[in-house]
Amino acid sequence: DAGVTQSPTHLIKTRGQHVTLRCSPISGHKSVSWYQQVLGQGPQFIFQYYEKEERGRGNFPDRFSARQFPNYSSELNVNALLLGDSALYLCASSGLAGPGEQYFGPGTRLTVT
Amino acid sequence: ILNVEQSPQSLHVQEGDSTNFTCSFPSSNFYALHWYRWETAKSPEALFVMTLNGDEKKKGRISATLNTKEGYSYLYIKGSQPEDSATYLCAPCHQTGANNLFFGTGTRLTVIP
Repeated sequence: DAGVTQSPTHLIKTRGQHVTLRCSPISGHKSVSWYQQVLGQGPQFIFQYYEKEERGRGNFPDRFSARQFPNYSSELNVNALLLGDSALYLCASSGLAGPGEQYFGPGTRLTVT
Repeated sequence: ILNVEQSPQSLHVQEGDSTNFTCSFPSSNFYALHWYRWETAKSPEALFVMTLNGDEKKKGRISATLNTKEGYSYLYIKGSQPEDSATYLCAPCHQTGANNLFFGTGTRLTVIP
């Protein structure tokens, strides 16, 4: 069975550019959450979507946005990239809107230069 | 944003030793507590989701307890093996109907053969 997939694996962008990260959840999962992990820290919650609706938003600026498509895949968009946006971006899917095991993808490593 | 503390930050133990880690979190508005294991170059893997005060969960040699009144959870590993080497993350969820996890910085365990 396919797990959570994310693309691209690695990405290098320049300050001020825009980036789109993609996530496909496990088949049948309707919830997708996004996390940012900076070296030495635990993952920081960015967004949760369930059934295409935003269920939660972390403490991130409006430069960060996301959406979920009818097939439950999701995109995370970051505008006007800053050096501090360099991080591992993790996507996790779950079958539930509420607390339940989340299954993480391998992540996208974003480097902003 | 929740103040989640994990201790110790890192730990080295000999193969066969038993060990335990602590996760502290705000006890107010508690909904669930997740434990994850994150091995280098892999995705975080769910260990436990705990919701009730006094909950005890076990998976093989790993077990966890939960005290929601005082806001802490313990993770125990019995007879540590080199394959247990990983970062162990806890993440409480304080929002009903959502799956927003606020991770601690983790405990990095190294099991020496």
